[in-house]
Amino acid sequence: NAGVMQNPRHLVRRRGQEARLRCSPMKGHSHVYWYRQLPEEGLKFMVYLQKENIIDESGMPKERFSAEFPKEGPSILRIQQVVRGDSAAYFCASSTPSADTQYFGPGTRLTVL
Amino acid sequence: AQKVTQAQTEISVVEKEDVTLDCVYETRDTTYYLFWYKQPPSGELVFLIRRNSFDEQNEISGRYSWNFQKSTSSFNFTITASQVVDSAVYFCALSETSTQGGSEKLVFGKGTKLTVNP
Repeated sequence: NAGVMQNPRHLVRRRGQEARLRCSPMKGHSHVYWYRQLPEEGLKFMVYLQKENIIDESGMPKERFSAEFPKEGPSILRIQQVVRGDSAAYFCASSTPSADTQYFGPGTRLTVL
Repeated sequence: AQKVTQAQTEISVVEKEDVTLDCVYETRDTTYYLFWYKQPPSGELVFLIRRNSFDEQNEISGRYSWNFQKSTSSFNFTITASQVVDSAVYFCALSETSTQGGSEKLVFGKGTKLTVNP
């Protein structure tokens, strides 16, 4: 029973490039959440998605960041024109519609040079 | 607004000592969930426990125990006879219950870094 999968585990980008982070939820899970962990800070909620729907994006920066969870395939967190301040660990979590526990993936560590 | 406070930034103990990690929360909701997650040096987030706001029973799982007190809005975590492998950052988190009955976004505390020395 595979857990939440994220790839890549480490991603290096130069300023101005695009970063795409992928998350495959646990089997049977249709809800996906993205969180960001900045150095010296705790984990902050970014966005909550169900298949083909964004439910809550109150934590997403207004520009350059977008997320999707298509009918088929993984959820994608996309960061356009990355800046050094985007360097962080990005975690994905998933849950079933009725469950109350979010299970986390191993995270993607983004470094912007 | 929801808030979780973990006042202890870092704790250092010697192996076999007991240690308690504090968590205080704020919410205006009557129905909510509290969580503890562990982040070992390898970086992943490991789920430890979920507690429903209606269930104030304390819970014990091996060397781990949790004390939920609604009257003081606290959900403290105790490790008995600590081991080196317990060294990690521990996060307390709070979530509302969605209208669909599932989980809403988690609000995390800043974490407590526990170091267990041999």
